[in-house]
Amino acid sequence: GENVEQHPSTLSVQEGDSAVIKCTYSDSASNYFPWYKQELGKRPQLIIDIRSNVGEKKDQRIAVTLNKTAKHFSLHITETQPEDSAVYFCAASRNNAGNMLTFGGGTRLMVKP
Amino acid sequence: ETGVTQTPRHLVMGMTNKKSLKCEQHLGHNAMYWYKQSAKKPLELMFVYNFKEQTENNSVPSRFSPECPNSSHLFLHLHTLQPEDSALYLCASSQDARAGGYTFGSGTRLTVV
Repeated sequence: GENVEQHPSTLSVQEGDSAVIKCTYSDSASNYFPWYKQELGKRPQLIIDIRSNVGEKKDQRIAVTLNKTAKHFSLHITETQPEDSAVYFCAASRNNAGNMLTFGGGTRLMVKP
Repeated sequence: ETGVTQTPRHLVMGMTNKKSLKCEQHLGHNAMYWYKQSAKKPLELMFVYNFKEQTENNSVPSRFSPECPNSSHLFLHLHTLQPEDSALYLCASSQDARAGGYTFGSGTRLTVV
């Protein structure tokens, strides 16, 4: 089955700096890669996703890149703000296996004001 | 509310008790999922239902028993649990079993004593 590794497990940045979180996956057939943000005591929420037919996607301060050859994808947050502090999860799935997301272990991002 | 409601929010039960977790979605989605979130572990897929049919049982012990009477409701019946089953149980839904983003509920924080 799919295995998703996520690094780092914790990340501390100064407000205004950029943050990068990286994930690798094992199943070359995976073709959908979402990212979720979970604030303390709240539900995970989808913040951005990318499909295997594109290499990069941006949404304001958030971007995701995908390298299918290397089987890794990354989340980039620019101009970080204290409200970006949360746990971020990457995930992967493939169409013909149903929509069964396999999640990475999570990254706790702390943005210091 | 994001359209996925879970009850109860918190549950404390003894190892000999029987209890049920409930999930309801108002989004018109056809696929529903149970995930377990433990401290310092990735989100673990437990069960997948697509159009009321169970399509995945991810090697979950029989003390967890899911039920999906219709596409809007999902239950997780619990009996003779162990302390290590204490975790946050998250329900999610998506449009169907093809790849796409999940909408998560707020979860049930379960403590087994």
